[in-house]
Amino acid sequence: EAGVAQSPRYKIIEKRQSVAFWCNPISGHATLYWYQQILGQGPKLLIQFQNNGVVDDSQLPKDRFSAERLKGVDSTLKIQPAKLEDSAVYLCASSPTGGSSNEQFFGPGTRLTVL
Amino acid sequence: GQQLNQSPQSMFIQEGEDVSMNCTSSSIFNTWLWYKQDPGEGPVLLIALYKAGELTSNGRLTAQFGITRKDSFLNISASIPSDVGIYFCAGRKRGGSNYQLIWGAGTKLIIKP
Repeated sequence: EAGVAQSPRYKIIEKRQSVAFWCNPISGHATLYWYQQILGQGPKLLIQFQNNGVVDDSQLPKDRFSAERLKGVDSTLKIQPAKLEDSAVYLCASSPTGGSSNEQFFGPGTRLTVL
Repeated sequence: GQQLNQSPQSMFIQEGEDVSMNCTSSSIFNTWLWYKQDPGEGPVLLIALYKAGELTSNGRLTAQFGITRKDSFLNISASIPSDVGIYFCAGRKRGGSNYQLIWGAGTKLIIKP
């Protein structure tokens, strides 16, 4: 079974530029998560999708971050414009449903460096 | 911000030693999860705990869900070089509809040569 795919693996941009990350979850997984992981910290949930609907985006900085999952499969996360403090690893995860006993499977992440 | 206190922050151990780490919270959780993250990879689930007092093993790893529901422990016996990495605890609170995970800051395990 293929895992969660993410691209690109690495991205370096200057502040105020825009960037987009892509995630393809495990086939058949209804729930998709985007996390931000700053160096030395645990992952922080940015947004959770159930199929193509948003379940939780309470920690998404909506003035600069946006995400979509239009067809309920793959998803993109965009930052526009980027700030220095956005430097982090952006992890995508998926689970069969969003239920309490469902394991989240993580992709390898995209490491973003904002200069 | 994070609501889980994970300790220790890092551990330097000799190969073959046993390892203990823990997570505590001021809130009650109904699920505790332990993940391991290798460099350049996403976290991988090691053990999931769903009931207070539950003790679960996965090979050399053993984790416990604290009786108070506010803490959890992970033990690794007879450590080997591939145990190196960052271990995260994560918990889900009782109630709520989105089952959001709250994460600790991680315990970095380093094995001395």
